Amino acid sequence: AQKVTQAQTEISVVEKEDVTLDCVYETRDTTYYLFWYKQPPSGELVFLIRRNSFDEQNEISGRYSWNFQKSTSSFNFTITASQVVDSAVYFCALSGATDSWGKLQFGAGTQVVVTP
Amino acid sequence: DTEVTQTPKHLVMGMTNKKSLKCEQHMGHRAMYWYKQKAKKPPELMFVYSYEKLSINESVPSRFSPECPNSSLLNLHLHALQPEDSALYLCASSQEGGFEQFFGPGTRLTVL
Repeated sequence: AQKVTQAQTEISVVEKEDVTLDCVYETRDTTYYLFWYKQPPSGELVFLIRRNSFDEQNEISGRYSWNFQKSTSSFNFTITASQVVDSAVYFCALSGATDSWGKLQFGAGTQVVVTP
Repeated sequence: DTEVTQTPKHLVMGMTNKKSLKCEQHMGHRAMYWYKQKAKKPPELMFVYSYEKLSINESVPSRFSPECPNSSLLNLHLHALQPEDSALYLCASSQEGGFEQFFGPGTRLTVL
């Protein structure tokens, strides 16, 4: 069985502070994909990143960066210099081969609140 | 602009009604999905269509009936729903299973 744990229910920061969202996953698959999605108050899920199990390179995209560590089964997400527009629920998700491609196992989500 | 569209945006229905939710994607993807999301919870997968064939059915009650007329369209037919079915229904598509899924804006359903 696959599992994604986002232990942080809510994180509140003041604008320009950095915020790191934790994601820990469990899977028996050797091939799998990890994802991060953003869900603003409007409700639409916005794709942020996909990382496959063979690529442990960290990635930076603007103010967003991701740290993938297979040794600790973690795929953490950092927002640098947060802005009010970053306020949203962020979901980490996992898709593995043995559980049928296409099934996304989501974590519970972390609510990020950025105040001016 | 999202390339996955869903209609209607909002739907209120009684328990005896029959209604349909519609989803269309314009990205040439071959996999489409229906998810149900309750407030403050993550999305839960309901159905997956891959190459227009149902490939995953997460034991969803028969009052939900999916239909995939072609690779761009996905419908969800609703009949005799219960108040606990009130939720945000999200449609998504991906190039194939395992690739990133792109979501539509959702239909917010209220069952009275």
